[in-house]
Amino acid sequence: ETGVTQSPTHLIKTRGQQVTLRCSSQSGHNTVSWYQQALGQGPQFIFQYYREEENGRGNFPPRFSGLQFPNYSSELNVNALELDDSALYLCASSPWAAVAYEQYFGPGTRLTVT
Amino acid sequence: AQSVAQPEDQVNVAEGNPLTVKCTYSVSGNPYLFWYVQYPNRGLQFLLKYITGDNLVKGSYGFEAEFNKSQTSFHLKKPSALVSDSALYFCAVRDPGAGSYQLTFGKGTKLSVIP
Repeated sequence: ETGVTQSPTHLIKTRGQQVTLRCSSQSGHNTVSWYQQALGQGPQFIFQYYREEENGRGNFPPRFSGLQFPNYSSELNVNALELDDSALYLCASSPWAAVAYEQYFGPGTRLTVT
Repeated sequence: AQSVAQPEDQVNVAEGNPLTVKCTYSVSGNPYLFWYVQYPNRGLQFLLKYITGDNLVKGSYGFEAEFNKSQTSFHLKKPSALVSDSALYFCAVRDPGAGSYQLTFGKGTKLSVIP
């Protein structure tokens, strides 16, 4: 069974640029969520995708957007990068969108905005 | 709105001693509660969850947690700590009654097990 994978591992971008982060969900999982973890903080929910549709969103501006593909992999896109976007971005998958299911996390992508 | 508080930034315990990592929550209805562990430069690993039923939940690596509705707490425990348990622990909550998939995390507690 393959776990959740994310790419790239690290990324450095300049303020104002755009970035795309990628995630492959665990085998058999059809739901993907994205989180932002700032240094010294707990993860914050960005949004969740189920069957290629966004079905839940946290308190993040529209410049944070995503996609889910038919194979359940996912992308997180961030436009107009700001310095505060520097964080560890975590992808998590679960077998269904039901709230009782735990999520399985990838190792994350460390984004630095300069 | 749902929220989680982990009142201790750091917990130190001697190897072999019991450990407790505290968590309190706030939701409008009945909570779904989770514990995760994060090792340096790694993602989060699921330890255990409380959905319904027995208030004492057993999870991975010998960890357990006790759900206390009256105190709105879900403390993580282990009878005998190992040095390898040293890591960052996160408590998280969902409010299924709110119809939200959002998982809200606490700020984390750093556990250090001293040999």
